[in-house]
Amino acid sequence: EAEVAQSPRYKITEKSQAVAFWCDPISGHATLYWYRQILGQGPELLVQFQDESVVDDSQLPKDRFSAERLKGVDSTLKIQPAELGDSAMYLCASSLRDFTDTQYFGPGTRLTVL
Amino acid sequence: LAKTTQPISMDSYEGQEVNITCSHNNIATNDYITWYQQFPSQGPRFIIQGYKTKVTNEVASLFIPADRKSSTLSLPRVSLSDTAVYYCLVGDSRLNSGYALNFGKGTSLLVTP
Repeated sequence: EAEVAQSPRYKITEKSQAVAFWCDPISGHATLYWYRQILGQGPELLVQFQDESVVDDSQLPKDRFSAERLKGVDSTLKIQPAELGDSAMYLCASSLRDFTDTQYFGPGTRLTVL
Repeated sequence: LAKTTQPISMDSYEGQEVNITCSHNNIATNDYITWYQQFPSQGPRFIIQGYKTKVTNEVASLFIPADRKSSTLSLPRVSLSDTAVYYCLVGDSRLNSGYALNFGKGTSLLVTP
């Protein structure tokens, strides 16, 4: 069964440093999502791509976060500079056509900011 | 904004049927109801989706009354491996993206022997 790949699985960094996460969606999936999940809470949508275009980044802290999906396939989420409050699980998901389809999640990247 | 309300936690014994109810009073006409399951340190996993009445798959059943203001996820004969957090989601068709999913805090289900 095809899966969403994410790397790294774990990342420890110091505050003010830059970090980047990578996601490779299921082949053929047009829509890609980045979520942030703080311990004890549900995932919070950060950004949604339809192919290479951003369709929703209303909850992305744009002063420090950026996301791209240049060729409409894999995606990178960057934080610069990282803050203590950014410690969380960062989840990537993809769906086949658009936002009405089932989302398939990757294993996530656990970020710890010291 | 279609907001959902579900119990914070539930306990069950192995072999019992578990029903988790979710309230979504402001559900829009075009919104679907989707349930996800999440184990610790893993991403959520799709369980079931429905629009009205009843939907059943090999894992669970989803019951949706006519007014669609609530839904109930039914897990038959749970096992220890069903211990997880269960999220009820309702599509938010108000946003420009059409269907951003809001997870909320979910229901933490604990199954014991």
